[in-house]
Amino acid sequence: QQQVKQSPQSLIVQKGGISIINCAYENTAFDYFPWYQQFPGKGPALLIAIRPDVSEKKEGRFTISFNKSAKQFSLHIMDSQPGDSATYFCAARSRLGSARQLTFGSGTQLTVLP
Amino acid sequence: GAVVSQHPSRVICKSGTSVKIECRSLDFQATTMFWYRQFPKQSLMLMATSNEGSKATYEQGVEKDKFLINHASLTLSTLTVTSAHPEDSSFYICSARGPAPHEQYFGPGTRLTVT
Repeated sequence: QQQVKQSPQSLIVQKGGISIINCAYENTAFDYFPWYQQFPGKGPALLIAIRPDVSEKKEGRFTISFNKSAKQFSLHIMDSQPGDSATYFCAARSRLGSARQLTFGSGTQLTVLP
Repeated sequence: GAVVSQHPSRVICKSGTSVKIECRSLDFQATTMFWYRQFPKQSLMLMATSNEGSKATYEQGVEKDKFLINHASLTLSTLTVTSAHPEDSSFYICSARGPAPHEQYFGPGTRLTVT
């Protein structure tokens, strides 16, 4: 119930294309869904996050789409650039419990070809 | 934006020695901090959660006597790897939860190599 399933494991996109990464969850207590970007040898950086009361959130070229009934959410990177090449992790946090730690997906290694 | 720092960024130590890693929230007070371990091409594995002034809560399978965590203030948490062995070599990342809306921010990580 705590799992967050992420796909694909790796993704190769041409410059200017759209990168789409998907995540699915089972735990209905999750109420916060962030996406993190991680470059090699660096810590994850918060990219964008959404709460289940909205179906979409857009920040620049990054958009989260959220489907509460299907328990799925996805990250769309528009006009993908070589500088976007990194590993992306989705995550989810439960509204229950005192610690409220994040549960991470397995990660997607994105390569944007020039 | 919220910044979390870690020190050192890299450390090499001999087997049997102890290593301390510091994690600081630079521009906000963090009541809760987290320590993660990450192996190459894998996701983040939560090791423990710490709250300021109280004992850390360790995840199942994490040896609390080996990985000592101290959350001494609202801006500082430390992880001490005691009697390190080569299998402890990994990338250790701390994270701090900020004020509302309680976003979680990560440090840059510490690469530990035990020889």
